[in-house]
Amino acid sequence: DQQVKQNSPSLSVQEGRISILNCDYTNSMFDYFLWYKKYPAEGPTFLISISSIKDKNEDGRFTVFLNKSAKHLSLHIVPSQPGDSAVYFCAASANNAGNMLTFGGGTRLMVKP
Amino acid sequence: EPEVTQTPSHQVTQMGQEVILRCVPISNHLYFYWYRQILGQKVEFLVSFYNNEISEKSEIFDDQFSVERPDGSNFTLKIRSTKLEDSAMYFCASSRRTSGRTDTQYFGPGTRLTVL
Repeated sequence: DQQVKQNSPSLSVQEGRISILNCDYTNSMFDYFLWYKKYPAEGPTFLISISSIKDKNEDGRFTVFLNKSAKHLSLHIVPSQPGDSAVYFCAASANNAGNMLTFGGGTRLMVKP
Repeated sequence: EPEVTQTPSHQVTQMGQEVILRCVPISNHLYFYWYRQILGQKVEFLVSFYNNEISEKSEIFDDQFSVERPDGSNFTLKIRSTKLEDSAMYFCASSRRTSGRTDTQYFGPGTRLTVL
């Protein structure tokens, strides 16, 4: 099942620079998208979400962009901080599917001081 | 800030034994979920629960699995006869989900289940 895909397993960025994490999906019924951050041995922590009626949502250093025609979303973190180092998951849900989340495989972000 | 809690943090069991994983969702949330993550794999949806019944379940959630909300606060996942391949991190989540709209799910810290 590859309905949500994160093609980059890892990303390394210098502190203070922008981190861009990408996510692609195939199911056109998805209407709500979320980004979660996960540290080892912890549960996913919600970061930011976006509804399919929007193309951008911003919260502090985090911005999510949604391109519905390309079925692509991205998470921008600027400026990146060492504490942002974690695995980032994108997830998607469809209103007609009981709100179940379909996750991507994750991208490990390393922010170097 | 309210959070989802899960117990135990780590459960070791013998193959064929029953296990119960416990979760306390956020208090004003109405929807509850279980997910699992086998080591090295994606987080996978198991089941969603609303108004004391299952609203959605995946193919993984077969007859060996059951969920229950035995009182006003706990939400449990029971695996009746564990198999080696049930070894995974199990995450509970909850959401408010008012007015039938999709919304944000908040996850607990997980229970690591090891089946020997």
